[in-house]
Amino acid sequence: AQSVTQPDIHITVSEGASLELRCNYSYGATPYLFWYVQSPGQGLQLLLKYFSGDTLVQGIKGFEAEFKRSQSSFNLRKPSVHWSDAAEYFCAVGAAGGSYIPTFGRGTSLIVHP
Amino acid sequence: DTGVSQDPRHKITKRGQNVTFRCDPISEHNRLYWYRQTLGQGPEFLTYFQNEAQLEKSRLLSDRFSAERPKGSFSTLEIQRTEQGDSAMYLCASSLMTGGDNVLTFGAGSRLTVL
Repeated sequence: AQSVTQPDIHITVSEGASLELRCNYSYGATPYLFWYVQSPGQGLQLLLKYFSGDTLVQGIKGFEAEFKRSQSSFNLRKPSVHWSDAAEYFCAVGAAGGSYIPTFGRGTSLIVHP
Repeated sequence: DTGVSQDPRHKITKRGQNVTFRCDPISEHNRLYWYRQTLGQGPEFLTYFQNEAQLEKSRLLSDRFSAERPKGSFSTLEIQRTEQGDSAMYLCASSLMTGGDNVLTFGAGSRLTVL
C-alpha cells in the first residue's frame, strides 16, 4: 500500500527566505507524486505533479519539487517566500496498484513572519 | 467551467440526525471522489465513482454512510444517525482519468459539525 510522510507539522519562515517542505513516500514502483496547497476556507489547489521524466518539476506560484528515487522523497522548494504563501501544504502519492487514487500526507502548516 | 461545487458549505446538526451533501463535478470529468478531512490531518479517501459506478470504498465508510452518483453526474454523500465523530470537512474532487495522469480538482468542501 502507498503512504506519505510529511515529518514537519509546522514550518516558520521569514518573508523573503527560502523554503523546503519535506515529503517521503512509500511505494514499490514508480509513484505519481503531487503537492497541493490549502488556504483557509479554500479547496486544495494543485501546485505541481511528477509522473515521469525530468525529476525537477516546476509548478505554479514559483514552487518546484525534486523527485529523488534513492531517498523516496519529493521535497517542495521555493527560493523566496511571500506572506501570501502561508497555508497548509499536502504531499500526495498515487499509483497503479491503488487505482491512481492519491493518498495524502497529514500536511505541513507554513507560517510566514514579516 | 465553474470547477467542483459542493453544497452546503457548512452544516450543523444534532447527533442522530441524517445529513446529505451534494457535489457537482467538472462536467467532462469521469471520476468523482469523496474524502474526509479532520483538524490537523490530510484528506482521507472515502470512496470514488467512475462514471456512475462506485468502484471502491474505504474501510472508513461505515454502514451509516452511503454515496450515489446517478447517471454519472452529480453525487450525494449521506450520513445516517450522525455521531460526534463524524464532525469533519467532507471534500469532493473530480478528475479525467487517462492512464496514470490522474489529477484531482477539489471543491471547497462541506464542513459538518455534529452537536
